Amino acid sequence: AAGVIQSPRHLIKEKRETATLKCYPIPRHDTVYWYQQGPGQDPQFLISFYEKMQSDKGSIPDRFSAQQFSDYHSELNMSSLELGDSALYFCASSLGTQPQHFGDGTRLSIL
Amino acid sequence: AQSVTQLGSHVSVSEGALVLLRCNYSSSVPPYLFWYVQYPNQGLQLLLKYTSAATLVKGINGFEAEFKKSETSFHLTKPSAHMSDAAEYFCAVSVAAGNKLTFGGGTRVLVKP
Repeated sequence: AAGVIQSPRHLIKEKRETATLKCYPIPRHDTVYWYQQGPGQDPQFLISFYEKMQSDKGSIPDRFSAQQFSDYHSELNMSSLELGDSALYFCASSLGTQPQHFGDGTRLSIL
Repeated sequence: AQSVTQLGSHVSVSEGALVLLRCNYSSSVPPYLFWYVQYPNQGLQLLLKYTSAATLVKGINGFEAEFKKSETSFHLTKPSAHMSDAAEYFCAVSVAAGNKLTFGGGTRVLVKP
């Protein structure tokens, strides 16, 4: 069965650079979520989209933005990167009342 | 607002022994509860979910969990641990279907031969 696809799997950036993370949800899923998991921490909700409209917002820094496109893929854009942004970024998708399915994540390292 | 507390950040069990991972939640509305497992360098895989149906929920890989409203708990158990159960386990709560998940701090399980 198709799963949530995230790219890239690994990304190395330097401070003050920008990064774009991509997420391709499971086909026909109507909601996309982004989470950030710092080293040794639990995942923290960043933002979600339902049918391409932002549906909820968590502790997402102003330096980050996200959107969902007409083909339902989503991108998380991160600017002015800081050392503390080093983390595993997960995308998840769901359909209706079904549970969220997670991708394998993008590991972002800031040097 | 909702929150989840997982008692014990690390649990060590012998192969074949009972696995018990504790989860307590706080929610202002009837919760949706989930257990996810995370293997190294991988995403979170759903083990099981509680969504106001049967209080005893059976999941994949022999895991099950019991929802106890009076104790605000959703503990995860497996009668006999396998080496392949070594991973990190997260309990999560949501206030409604299609809503964000709030995770507990996770419990890392070590299985000894």
